Amino acid sequence: DVKVTQSSRYLVKRTGEKVFLECVQDMDHENMFWYRQDPGLGLRLIYFSYDVKMKEKGDIPEGYSVSREKKERFSLILESASTNQTSMYLCASSPRRTGGADGYTFGSGTRLTVV
Amino acid sequence: SQQGEEDPQALSIQEGENATMNCSYKTSINNLQWYRQNSGRGLVHLILIRSNEREKHSGRLRVTLDTSKKSSSLLITASRAADTASYFCAANSGYSTLTFGKGTMLLVSP
Repeated sequence: DVKVTQSSRYLVKRTGEKVFLECVQDMDHENMFWYRQDPGLGLRLIYFSYDVKMKEKGDIPEGYSVSREKKERFSLILESASTNQTSMYLCASSPRRTGGADGYTFGSGTRLTVV
Repeated sequence: SQQGEEDPQALSIQEGENATMNCSYKTSINNLQWYRQNSGRGLVHLILIRSNEREKHSGRLRVTLDTSKKSSSLLITASRAADTASYFCAANSGYSTLTFGKGTMLLVSP
């Protein structure tokens, strides 16, 4: 069964901490994505990557960075966590670069609370 | 950025009834996709309809697309309690990124 695995289901971090959210996929997908999901706002794209060492800003990249050193792993980094980054974070992957012709496969999500 | 917008925001029905959710989007698309999310979990891809298609079926799901109105609908026939979830439409405009709507919460009561 193919999977996108997010390392933590729940995280509690303190304001100012550097936070790493990890995502690993075993489908050899080229594309990987990070979204955050907030009540009333739906899913918003933070960053995405088409290939190893490539990254593109999404709609809300401020306060975040990403790393993709290996094809299967896409990390989201909160350089200095703030309370407004409390959210559900969803990682997804898809197999091809063009056309979005395949659906995304999502991980189960990481619910991050910043206190 | 473009965004799908679902309507209604919430829908409550009885088992056996049909559930219809609508989605509108703002710009031209390559395809439109529907996803389901059970409470507190990740999204699951349900069905994709391409811009040159008008209707598509998958099991109890029926999706329509009207590109002239920039709208789509998802019909779930003979709903079951297990269909209780949030449903999202997502618009793809030519790159690999998807822009999601805010979702419709469906409650199916036994």
